[in-house]
Amino acid sequence: DTAVSQTPKYLVTQMGNDKSIKCEQNLGHDTMYWYKQDSKKFLKIMFSYNNKELIINETVPNRFSPKSPDKAHLNLHINSLELGDSAVYFCASSVPQGGRETQYFGPGTRLLVL
Amino acid sequence: GQQVMQIPQYQHVQEGEDFTTYCNSSTTLSNIQWYKQRPGGHPVFLIQLVKSGEVKKQKRLTFQFGEAKKNSSLHITATQTTDVGTYFCASGPRGGNTGKLIFGQGTTLQVKP
Repeated sequence: DTAVSQTPKYLVTQMGNDKSIKCEQNLGHDTMYWYKQDSKKFLKIMFSYNNKELIINETVPNRFSPKSPDKAHLNLHINSLELGDSAVYFCASSVPQGGRETQYFGPGTRLLVL
Repeated sequence: GQQVMQIPQYQHVQEGEDFTTYCNSSTTLSNIQWYKQRPGGHPVFLIQLVKSGEVKKQKRLTFQFGEAKKNSSLHITATQTTDVGTYFCASGPRGGNTGKLIFGQGTTLQVKP
């Protein structure tokens, strides 16, 4: 009965590879997000989807491509992985509350690029 | 753009001591949220403050929102080892409706038993 789940939990890969991370939420929320947390624990939003529509696209390299097949799923595909992509990637979801949305985070995917 | 500055970055305390983390913005905030991330875990929502001067308590945790809605603090009384983790403040932009949150840099709390 996990609210926001992500797979895989750990991902170790070589530079130049392409990888995907999947996220699912069973909270019935309309909005989902991808965050990147670096080694200094800084949390930065990458993308946000509302009911399958992209609404936030921060300054992220176009090697990162999100896809939302339905409002309960938001996946992140990364092409040509680089060393600097090593981080923890968190998926989150929320309900619209006029700028006061609280976020429900998934357990995170720890990506290490060698 | 809107920025939220959080201090200190790290804090080591002896169990039983108090702890405070501060969050500041140069612009007026519509709201402030606080999250806790345990080591190896994910951020978990603690509380949201929306009114000027608002104070809320959760057991040993006291949250304040400044009168000008430009700063906030989280105070923990008599810390316990279970308080270990990183505490983040976050805020959504005024009038925003995208759900976008700007997070502070976080304060990592270590508690020595």
